[in-house]
Amino acid sequence: AQSVTQPDIHITVSEGASLELRCNYSYGATPYLFWYVQSPGQGLQLLLKYFSGDTLVQGIKGFEAEFKRSQSSFNLRKPSVHWSDAAEYFCAVAVTGGGNKLTFGTGTQLKVEL
Amino acid sequence: SQTIHQWPATLVQPVGSPLSLECTVEGTSNPNLYWYRQAAGRGLQLLFYSVGIGQISSEVPQNLSASRPQDRQFILSSKKLLLSDSGFYLCAWSEDERTTGYFGPGTRLTVT
Repeated sequence: AQSVTQPDIHITVSEGASLELRCNYSYGATPYLFWYVQSPGQGLQLLLKYFSGDTLVQGIKGFEAEFKRSQSSFNLRKPSVHWSDAAEYFCAVAVTGGGNKLTFGTGTQLKVEL
Repeated sequence: SQTIHQWPATLVQPVGSPLSLECTVEGTSNPNLYWYRQAAGRGLQLLFYSVGIGQISSEVPQNLSASRPQDRQFILSSKKLLLSDSGFYLCAWSEDERTTGYFGPGTRLTVT
């Protein structure tokens, strides 16, 4: 079965600094990969997703993620963090041909210092 | 474009009471539908999955059940709620891999 690891439970960055959130997956083939953001008390907002093609994926709110097959990783990046980016971020995978069911990581809580 | 609705948005129910949460999707036909739960200490977990009317797969053993009476309607139910059923319930849909990943606004359930 596939699994997702987000090694960082909490991350704190200063406003304006760059951000990288890590995500590693375990799966025998190339999965479909997703990043979500969740603000307190809110639902899941899809930031970006990868299915095939260009391994650098652009998303909403200035986020991007890079799929690295050799490292089984799909890290989320943003060049300059804004205070409004403070939220919880989830990485997820869906197996190809697996009914598009998502398996989520445990999340990374991002705090932004002003 | 497709839209997914969930209601109610918030629900507080006593232990032992029944539950019915509803999810409907607009703008698509014969979608796959999913119920996920986000609960403290258990992360985001797939509960049920449906590929069509009357076709339900349960992903984890639990106190809940799901039904799909119409093509674009997915219902989550319980006959008797437990404290451990508290959580944030999210409905999702997909037609194929390119439409995977879209969730409804969720229902926050508190069992007291």
